[in-house]
Amino acid sequence: SQKIEQNSEALNIQEGKTATLTCNYTNYSPAYLQWYRQDPGRGPVFLLLIRENEKEKRKERLKVTFDTTLKQSLFHITASQPADSATYLCALSEYSSASKIIFGSGTRLSIRP
Amino acid sequence: GAVVSQHPSRVICKSGTSVKIECRSLDFQATTMFWYRQFPKQSLMLMATSNEGSKATYEQGVEKDKFLINHASLTLSTLTVTSAHPEDSSFYICSASSSDNEQFFGPGTRLTVL
Repeated sequence: SQKIEQNSEALNIQEGKTATLTCNYTNYSPAYLQWYRQDPGRGPVFLLLIRENEKEKRKERLKVTFDTTLKQSLFHITASQPADSATYLCALSEYSSASKIIFGSGTRLSIRP
Repeated sequence: GAVVSQHPSRVICKSGTSVKIECRSLDFQATTMFWYRQFPKQSLMLMATSNEGSKATYEQGVEKDKFLINHASLTLSTLTVTSAHPEDSSFYICSASSSDNEQFFGPGTRLTVL
């Protein structure tokens, strides 16, 4: 069966450290993989998109890697800040970034001062 | 950036009544809109995909007669929860995409059925 798994339900790290979140998938062939941030009671906010033929994408303090052999994406936040505390969702699209998106279960990240 | 709004942001209704939730793309034309449901501490689950002017495509396990979707224009889609029951209480989120191949999410609607 198809699955998208994010490594842990919750992650708690010290401010200033790099947070690394993992997304693994099975029985999918995604054309796109996306990461979203979701704050409590709010809709998800798009952060980064990486295509199947891309290995890495960066945006400011964020970095995403995509390994289609391992069927895994890593999401890094460098120099983490308490304001980065939120739930982060991994999501796959099999055809285009505007097609059906399937979300992972999310990782709740807490950055302590 | 593109903005998607939802109305209302919160709604409380009695069991057995119907509730309509609106999703609007404010500054772009959305050829496709998606409706998701999110239960507490769970991820977003896709309910249906709607294209302007045609019938919605529902995901497996989602009752099309209970969750009525209308995508009458390129800027508006509505989700009507008919004969709502307490188990329908959830956070409903829409998203909209344009021909640019990006998807933008609304802020969500919290439905509580008493």
